[in-house]
Amino acid sequence: DSGVTQTPKHLITATGQRVTLRCSPRSGDLSVYWYQQSLDQGLQFLIQYYNGEERAKGNILERFSAQQFPDLHSELNLSSLELGDSALYFCASTMGATSGGKGGTDTQYFGPGTRLTVL
Amino acid sequence: AQSVTQLDSHVSVSEGTPVLLRCNYSSSYSPSLFWYVQHPNKGLQLLLKYTSAATLVKGINGFEAEFKKSETSFHLTKPSAHMSDAAEYFCVVAYMSPSYGKLTFGQGTILTVHP
Repeated sequence: DSGVTQTPKHLITATGQRVTLRCSPRSGDLSVYWYQQSLDQGLQFLIQYYNGEERAKGNILERFSAQQFPDLHSELNLSSLELGDSALYFCASTMGATSGGKGGTDTQYFGPGTRLTVL
Repeated sequence: AQSVTQLDSHVSVSEGTPVLLRCNYSSSYSPSLFWYVQHPNKGLQLLLKYTSAATLVKGINGFEAEFKKSETSFHLTKPSAHMSDAAEYFCVVAYMSPSYGKLTFGQGTILTVHP
């Protein structure tokens, strides 16, 4: 158990709908990262928040948005859903703003994921 | 720019035989490299990480990896496979700046262990 929690575990919805995925980081961690894992794209970094502020953006669609709240939990909002959005969505957390590298060796701890199915 | 290539999408071994999962990276600076494992319907678990200390890195469950700068490789090995090692393994390179960090994942290698 990594200490990172994600809800819900599974989500089934229809095209055009909007969903919200929730992530609670490990106690004491200030950074939250969101990833999408799909069969065709593999694991892709979406976005990072650190202490409530957006820090880095990856391959995140404009239909997707995220935020980190004062209690440090984060939500990923997916709107106008398409069939291709079906995937596993992971969040991860670190104490600092960085993950690896000479300036910091924070390990990203991953949650169990939310499996989104768009029908 | 950084990238990581896992050279095998599937590796199959017999229980008790050695495991080798190959990974090459591309990075314009000294990278941080990780191996993560994902068991079916589970999240990602860190096996080990390299951050410019010793080039031979020991991880959990008997896995280790060697950083070879001249070959830009970071292959994962284990002397003797166990049935519980069957999973998907991801080689990961980290990009770090003073203010943020992100991981770039390889495409994954599925390890099958036969009895």
